[in-house]
Amino acid sequence: DTEVTQTPKHLVMGMTNKKSLKCEQHMGHRAMYWYKQKAKKPPELMFVYSYEKLSINESVPSRFSPECPNSSLLNLHLHALQPEDSALYLCASSHGLAGGSRGNTIYFGEGSWLTVV
Amino acid sequence: SQQGEEDPQALSIQEGENATMNCSYKTSINNLQWYRQNSGRGLVHLILIRSNEREKHSGRLRVTLDTSKKSSSLLITASRAADTASYFCATGLNTGFQKLVFGTGTRLLVSP
Repeated sequence: DTEVTQTPKHLVMGMTNKKSLKCEQHMGHRAMYWYKQKAKKPPELMFVYSYEKLSINESVPSRFSPECPNSSLLNLHLHALQPEDSALYLCASSHGLAGGSRGNTIYFGEGSWLTVV
Repeated sequence: SQQGEEDPQALSIQEGENATMNCSYKTSINNLQWYRQNSGRGLVHLILIRSNEREKHSGRLRVTLDTSKKSSSLLITASRAADTASYFCATGLNTGFQKLVFGTGTRLLVSP
């Protein structure tokens, strides 16, 4: 069982819709992530927040807009998406940044399946 | 571009056999982690090895790291049908930005 909760589990949206994906963790982690995963592909990093500040944006199109309202919550606002944006969106958190020398473990949510029609 | 390439892409074995997956990467790393993903689910952390370590064990898992060859391997001993999943290596990059980048993955099928 994961301690990172993502809602909704499934979302179908039209290309003109505005929707949001939500993520919550109560482990006291200070780093939070959004990854995108297409079928049979590895997760691709989109955004990293550290201490509620955006620290990495992997050149993600502006139709994806992340928000970190507080240390427990992470949102991904979606607007004017394209069908090719359909994927599994994974939220994750870690005590500190995962790529560093301390090697923090990332805890993943179960993901939100997004279909853009 | 992916940092890690995994080999094989797919592996099919019988229960009780050992499964070995290999990961090669391109740039200097701080750490390397292995994750498991059941179909359509979130990823679960298996084991982490730091750049100054050569081998780690956790239950039926053994991970090796050879930084001179920029490669790692994951060995699952005495496999079970429940081990059927995709396995990803992920490298913690030492490029100024501390991020974890996932490799291409190995799909493991363990038949009863």
